[in-house]
Amino acid sequence: DSGVTQTPKHLITATGQRVTLRCSPRSGDLSVYWYQQSLDQGLQFLIQYYNGEERAKGNILERFSAQQFPDLHSELNLSSLELGDSALYFCASSGGTGRSEAFFGQGTRLTVV
Amino acid sequence: GQQVMQIPQYQHVQEGEDFTTYCNSSTTLSNIQWYKQRPGGHPVFLIQLVKSGEVKKQKRLTFQFGEAKKNSSLHITATQTTDVGTYFCGVDYKLSFGAGTTVTVRA
Repeated sequence: DSGVTQTPKHLITATGQRVTLRCSPRSGDLSVYWYQQSLDQGLQFLIQYYNGEERAKGNILERFSAQQFPDLHSELNLSSLELGDSALYFCASSGGTGRSEAFFGQGTRLTVV
Repeated sequence: GQQVMQIPQYQHVQEGEDFTTYCNSSTTLSNIQWYKQRPGGHPVFLIQLVKSGEVKKQKRLTFQFGEAKKNSSLHITATQTTDVGTYFCGVDYKLSFGAGTTVTVRA
C-alpha cells in the first residue's frame, strides 16, 4: 500500500460527459502529480501541484483541469469527454518537488463509451 | 522543454541473461529517478541518482548516472521472471517520465 488513495477505481461514462477523479496523497506529502497512461503507453505528465499551488503543467488538454485543496487532496476534472480520453489516470505524491521519492496510487481506469 | 528518451522501448530477454536500458536527456539533469511498473500495477520507486557518475546497486540491478548528467542506465544481471514489467526514468522537478522500457522474459 503506497498510502496514496485514488477514487473511483473504475469509471465508465459516455462521450460528452464530465467526470471528477479524486486523489488523497500520503500523509504529509505536499506535492501531487497527475499522469495519463493510455494502453501500452508511457506516463504522460499532466499537471503538478505543490501545497495548493499549481507548480507545473504538461500536455494537459484545455478540457481538463485540476486543483489541490487546503487539506492537500486533489481532483482532476475531465469534461467534454472523448473516446480517446479512455486511459488509466495515476496520481502520485511526494514530500517535495521531483527530488523526493514519489508514491503512486492504484489509478483510476476511465472508459469513455 | 525537457525531453527524455528511453531505449529500447521493448526488451525481450532470455531468463538468466543480462540487459541494459538507457535514459537520455537533451539537457543536463539535476537528478534522475527510476521506477518499475509491473503488468496491471502502478509505478513503484526504485532509486534516485543525484551525483555525476554515481553508481548504485540493488541486488541484480545496477543504476548509473552519466558524467555529464544527461543520461542514465539500468543494468539487470541474470534476468528473472520477477523482472517483468516496464521501467521508467523520471526527471525534472515535475517528474516527467520517458516512454519506458517494457521487459518480457523467456523462461
